[in-house]
Amino acid sequence: DAGVIQSPRHEVTEMGQEVTLRCKPISGHDYLFWYRQTMMRGLELLIYFNNNVPIDDSGMPEDRFSAKMPNASFSTLKIQPSEPRDSAVYFCASSKLPPGELFFGEGSRLTVL
Amino acid sequence: KQEVTQIPAALSVPEGENLVLNCSFTDSAIYNLQWFRQDPGKGLTSLLLIQSSQREQTSGRLNASLDKSSGRSTLYIAASQPGDSATYLCAVTRGTGANNLFFGTGTRLTVIP
Repeated sequence: DAGVIQSPRHEVTEMGQEVTLRCKPISGHDYLFWYRQTMMRGLELLIYFNNNVPIDDSGMPEDRFSAKMPNASFSTLKIQPSEPRDSAVYFCASSKLPPGELFFGEGSRLTVL
Repeated sequence: KQEVTQIPAALSVPEGENLVLNCSFTDSAIYNLQWFRQDPGKGLTSLLLIQSSQREQTSGRLNASLDKSSGRSTLYIAASQPGDSATYLCAVTRGTGANNLFFGTGTRLTVIP
């Protein structure tokens, strides 16, 4: 398996623009997680899905953030409108059955100017 | 709330030395503990997963121990190599919920050739 695949790897955008990050989890994994990593706050769980259904989105910072999982092999995290404080590395991770072993993608580094 | 601490934040050792990384957590009622490695600009790679009923896990030159009663885990790296240079993070899971994973802030290890 190719592992968790994220795109884009790097995104630079201007404040106010819409940003869409994409994730393909490992096949057969029922759980998908979106994390954000910053120097100040470390790794933060934003939202997670079980069988494509959002289970807990309490970590989503604001209504500007939304996530979808239309099928078992694809998820998006959208920020609209983006702000400079959203600059971070966004990770997608998947697992078969939590709290088992977690597999991370390589992340999407977002810079909002 | 579970708090996970890793000290020191950074560590430099000469090649070939054995070393220990520390992780402490405030709530001993954990389900499991994972050690991850993160290379610069990359995602997290799972190294070892210790269930709460286990005392240690080994993989190659890595050995992780768990002492729930004292709220501590250590990651022992034998015969360190420059390729071991990375940030090492521990994460504890409290309960079986997927959103109960708490990360430490990591120890940045540099192995000097």
